[in-house]
Formats: sequence, C-alpha cells, structure tokens
Amino acid sequence: QQQVKQSPQSLIVQKGGISIINCAYENTAFDYFPWYQQFPGKGPALLIAIRPDVSEKKEGRFTISFNKSAKQFSLHIMDSQPGDSATYFCAAWVTGGGNKLTFGTGTQLKVEL
Amino acid sequence: NAGVMQNPRHLVRRRGQEARLRCSPMKGHSHVYWYRQLPEEGLKFMVYLQKENIIDESGMPKERFSAEFPKEGPSILRIQQVVRGDSAAYFCASSALGQGIANIQYFGAGTRLSVL
Repeated sequence: QQQVKQSPQSLIVQKGGISIINCAYENTAFDYFPWYQQFPGKGPALLIAIRPDVSEKKEGRFTISFNKSAKQFSLHIMDSQPGDSATYFCAAWVTGGGNKLTFGTGTQLKVEL
Repeated sequence: NAGVMQNPRHLVRRRGQEARLRCSPMKGHSHVYWYRQLPEEGLKFMVYLQKENIIDESGMPKERFSAEFPKEGPSILRIQQVVRGDSAAYFCASSALGQGIANIQYFGAGTRLSVL
C-alpha cells in the first residue's frame, strides 16, 4: 500500500517557470513532511520540510504548501533553473514512530532553456 | 565534517554470492538507517540501527538480509545468496537524534548493486 502518493512522475518546465509537484498521504499520524532532492548518482538531500500546523513554508525559491484537511502537500519551485533538474521526493514521518521516512515515488524534473 | 560515507559505490555480484554494503555515519551520529531504491521507485525503509542494537527492522526481507552496527566500525548491510531482484540502489542515512522533529536524516551517495 502506497502511503504517500506523488505526482506527476515527470515534469518538463521552461527556465523561469514554476514547477509544481503534488503529494497526498493517507496516514493522519504523519506529522513531518520533508522534501528531498536527488541528482543522478547521488543520495537524496533534504531540501525543505514542513509540519502540519503550518500551511506554507518558503525558503528561497522553494515553497511547500500544506492542506491538512485534504491530506495534501505540494512543492513549488519558482523561477525554475536548469540546475534544478533532478528527481524530487516527498516524504512523511511519524514522530516517535520508529524514525522511518515513507517516501513518494519521485518526480523527475527537467528544466529546459 | 565528512558526510555519510558508503562503499562500495558500485557492486557487481553473481547470483548466489554474498553482498556486503558498508556505511559510515556522519561524525557524531549514532543512528543509522538503510533504505532500498528500486528502479523508478521511491526509497523504501529497511532497517534502523543504533550502536550494537537493531531498533526497527520492519522493512527488512525475512530471509537473506541482515544488518549490524557494531560498537566500532561502520554499519554493514549483508545480503546472502543474492538474486536478480536484489539489484537496486541501497542508501544509508544517519541522524544525530533518535526521535523528535529535529531528527534529520542525512543520506549517503548509495551503493548500486547489480546481480548478474
């Protein structure tokens, strides 16, 4: 059972555009939602994270929007750049729930010139 | 401060052989996690260890897979009698804390296992 569903699977955006990746979860016990960025041949790196008591968090060009009632959250990348081309994973975690991250299936983002 | 170090980066094994994957956590981190990433899929949790203890192995296959994190030395993920379905990228992560919202997991670059 996929507990965190991520879409789209792949995304092509023009340079300067907005990239939007969506995730939905089922387990209401999840209370921490990080996003990871992974370049080819590298491990995932934490990009930005949010707790469910906040509806939005912004760090530079990256923004997480969170809708607790809909059990959905999304990553917005403003002014997308070719260097943002990577695979993005949403994840979720239950504090005190064994420390295991549950990952979405990933979105392969390509930013074209 | 070196990050999470995994070796080897690439490992090729024939069916039936053993695979040993090593992970040295970040300096000061005593919590280690192993995840497996199959092609076109997200990372799946396998096991969570602290020094000399397995805390949660709910994601580990029941047979052929084992993990340890000894008092001295790196954490080891061991796969006995590998099969083609074991071909995947195996990632190790470490954290400084065992619980709480600040328990950020930092990932290594992974070991890509290919079973011929």
